[in-house]
Amino acid sequence: DSGVTQTPKHLITATGQRVTLRCSPRSGDLSVYWYQQSLDQGLQFLIQYYNGEERAKGNILERFSAQQFPDLHSELNLSSLELGDSALYFCASSVEGAYTDTQYFGPGTRLTVL
Amino acid sequence: AQTVTQSQPEMSVQEAETVTLSCTYDTSESDYYLFWYKQPPSRQMILVIRQEAYKQQNATENRFSVNFQKAAKSFSLKISDSQLGDAAMYFCAYRSDLYGGATNKLIFGTGTLLAVQP
Repeated sequence: DSGVTQTPKHLITATGQRVTLRCSPRSGDLSVYWYQQSLDQGLQFLIQYYNGEERAKGNILERFSAQQFPDLHSELNLSSLELGDSALYFCASSVEGAYTDTQYFGPGTRLTVL
Repeated sequence: AQTVTQSQPEMSVQEAETVTLSCTYDTSESDYYLFWYKQPPSRQMILVIRQEAYKQQNATENRFSVNFQKAAKSFSLKISDSQLGDAAMYFCAYRSDLYGGATNKLIFGTGTLLAVQP
């Protein structure tokens, strides 16, 4: 158990809908990262937050957004869902988000878009 | 841009034997971190081992060790005394050693699926 929690574990929805994925980092970790794992794209970095502020963006679609709250949990919002958004979404956390940190991953949320 | 390549989509090993998984990477940076993550059927991503590029000594964690060849940009994972629980997808990952920005992200290879035969 990494100490990172993600809810829900599974999510099934329809095209055009909007969903919210939630992540709670390890106790004491200030930085949260979101990754997407899909069959065709592999594991890709989406976005990073540090202590409530966006720090870095990767290949995140405009239909996707994220935020980190004062209690440090983070939410990834996916809207206007398409079939291709079906994937496993991971949250990872680290102490400070510095280059010295190790990122610890949550169990993931499996999103299926029908 | 940095890239990570895992050229072995699948590998198989007998229980108690040793197996080596290959990883190569491309970068123009001199300082960086390399990782191996394990993803069992549960899909959880589990850190196996980490190597700092500035360290010449190869990292070791119990039955897991790496062969880090900086000049060749090679980072292989050796699993000794393989156990049934080692069966999983293994991902090699790279991270820049630069503070801030998108450089904190992990860049992953495509993975190697390891089967352990009893």
